[in-house]
Amino acid sequence: AQTVTQSQPEMSVQEAETVTLSCTYDTSENNYYLFWYKQPPSRQMILVIRQEAYKQQNATENRFSVNFQKAAKSFSLKISDSQLGDTAMYFCAFMKLFPNDMRFGAGTRLTVKP
Amino acid sequence: NAGVTQTPKFRVLKTGQSMTLLCAQDMNHEYMYWYRQDPGMGLRLIHYSVGEGTTAKGEVPDGYNVSRLKKQNFLLGLESAAPSQTSVYFCATNRGQQYFGPGTRLLVL
Repeated sequence: AQTVTQSQPEMSVQEAETVTLSCTYDTSENNYYLFWYKQPPSRQMILVIRQEAYKQQNATENRFSVNFQKAAKSFSLKISDSQLGDTAMYFCAFMKLFPNDMRFGAGTRLTVKP
Repeated sequence: NAGVTQTPKFRVLKTGQSMTLLCAQDMNHEYMYWYRQDPGMGLRLIHYSVGEGTTAKGEVPDGYNVSRLKKQNFLLGLESAAPSQTSVYFCATNRGQQYFGPGTRLLVL
């Protein structure tokens, strides 16, 4: 079974600075997807970024980028130029190719301070 | 497009009562999922469906049943609610990524 571990229950960062959230996972699959989701107080799950395991290039989305280390089974999220609106819970998630169900980490609560 | 919707948004039940949570999607996705989210934990898969008329168990299926009679709807049933089922329930569909509904908060007293 796949497991996802987020070792940082809480983190904080000053506005405009950079922060990195850690995630490790365990799987015997070779092809899979990895995701970071953001959950603000509204509870809505919002996709931040997605990475296909077969791609060596790290995914980027504006201020968000990942460091994907397949051999080490590590998938960290870097948020640059942090904004107050980035304050939320962040979940790392693993998805198999079939049946595309997800395994989530326990989450990291990020607070951006003014 | 409404995307993924869930009914109701919030519900209070007494132990032993039954209820059904409805998930509806207008994206024509084949795959649908029910998750629960408890404090300090990520989402955990309850049941899922890979197409109309099919269902399968996830990580934590005990105490729940599901049905997928129509492609656009995925129902989650609690036959006899227990306090341990107090949680926030999320429905999701999938096409390359998961699309989540807004969640249903359930309180079992």
